[in-house]
Amino acid sequence: SSELTQVPAVSVALGQTVTITCQGDSLRGYFASWYQQRPGQAPLLVMSGQNNRPSGIPDRFSGSSSGDTGSLTITAAQAEDEGVYYCDSRDTTTYYVVFGGGTKLSVL
Amino acid sequence: QVHLVQSGTEVRKPGASVKVSCKASGYTFTSHYINWVRQAPGQGLEWMGIINPIGGGTSYAQNFQGRVTMTRDTSTSTVHMEMSSLRSEDTAIYYCARSTLDGPPFDYWGQGTLVTVSS
Repeated sequence: SSELTQVPAVSVALGQTVTITCQGDSLRGYFASWYQQRPGQAPLLVMSGQNNRPSGIPDRFSGSSSGDTGSLTITAAQAEDEGVYYCDSRDTTTYYVVFGGGTKLSVL
Repeated sequence: QVHLVQSGTEVRKPGASVKVSCKASGYTFTSHYINWVRQAPGQGLEWMGIINPIGGGTSYAQNFQGRVTMTRDTSTSTVHMEMSSLRSEDTAIYYCARSTLDGPPFDYWGQGTLVTVSS
């Protein structure tokens, strides 16, 4: 399957915890990677593999996976965490990269 | 410090071709793949394909096969993405992105190149 499904938008109160999910058959075989995109900027890798944070990404970001769903959790969300979050993985048939549709995160 | 620096904004008419470049620095050019990802205005990310800088081998997403060509120049650590038969729907920001594997994750991205296709 080549589809990754994300909820279009979520909101979280400042300092609270939010989880963004990504669902698709390909996630049964591959971990999702997660990217944050702020307006007018290129995407930024924030999570990959089972729970690997690139250097410079705050430890309030964490990742997990279960079955066909990957999750990105932001604990104690900050205003600067606002943006659109995309997941990606590989299509299990073609091996091509696929992206989710993105989830817009608002921090209230 | 890893940097991917892309060429500037392009404007083309329908049916024309465009070539976008991505110059890498701060790491060994042949040790990482380069991918191309595009984003239409107000839309999500779309993976276009990947090139292996070592031998120049490529793989293109089905939507772009026959219309996109990716090449590399190891002497200048530069990757090029050329798209032909442009149509208005190709108006987008085109990003190059580095990966260690022949797929995700993409750990460094270029700043993006806006390509506008308009008559």
